[in-house]
Amino acid sequence: DQQVKQNSPSLSVQEGRISILNCDYTNSMFDYFLWYKKYPAEGPTFLISISSIKDKNEDGRFTVFLNKSAKHLSLHIVPSQPGDSAVYFCAALSTNLYNFNKFYFGSGTKLNVKP
Amino acid sequence: DAGVTQSPTHLIKTRGQHVTLRCSPISGHKSVSWYQQVLGQGPQFIFQYYEKEERGRGNFPDRFSARQFPNYSSELNVNALLLGDSALYLCASSLAGNTDEKLFFGSGTQLSVL
Repeated sequence: DQQVKQNSPSLSVQEGRISILNCDYTNSMFDYFLWYKKYPAEGPTFLISISSIKDKNEDGRFTVFLNKSAKHLSLHIVPSQPGDSAVYFCAALSTNLYNFNKFYFGSGTKLNVKP
Repeated sequence: DAGVTQSPTHLIKTRGQHVTLRCSPISGHKSVSWYQQVLGQGPQFIFQYYEKEERGRGNFPDRFSARQFPNYSSELNVNALLLGDSALYLCASSLAGNTDEKLFFGSGTQLSVL
């Protein structure tokens, strides 16, 4: 039961351009969303989060957009740098459904930023 | 400051065996969660522990069990291993295990079942 989907397994972008990673979810109870970045042989690292009361959150070069009606979120990286090359995971949970932090993860998008 | 540490980093077992994976959370973090990541998929929730009590369990069989110790470290145990248990097992810690807390992950234990 894939409640969080990342339909693009990979994305290749030129250095300095914008990277847009997409994520769709099916559970309308999800109200908290995060993006994680994972390098090979390392655990996922928190990148940015957004609550469903917002539709945008920025942190430096990273911006996450949330479209609740479409059950869609996206991560924008501007400008992209070669060090951004990694696998990006979208994660979601419901703060109301459970009293514990059961995150649902997408299958990841491998970003390659070319110098 | 030390992050989340997991041991061992790699493990090879045969079907039917038992395995124990270990995790030490970030200092001050009282909640530990376990996730399974099968190749090509995202992490899947197994357990969350807080203050030595199980707070939540994912959709995994009873062969999977865990516990948390007074120092907040944790063990994940898997009995009667199946080939399908081959995966990266990730441990994550958070301060109080509240639903909107971000997780800090360790590098994982790569388990191969032959």
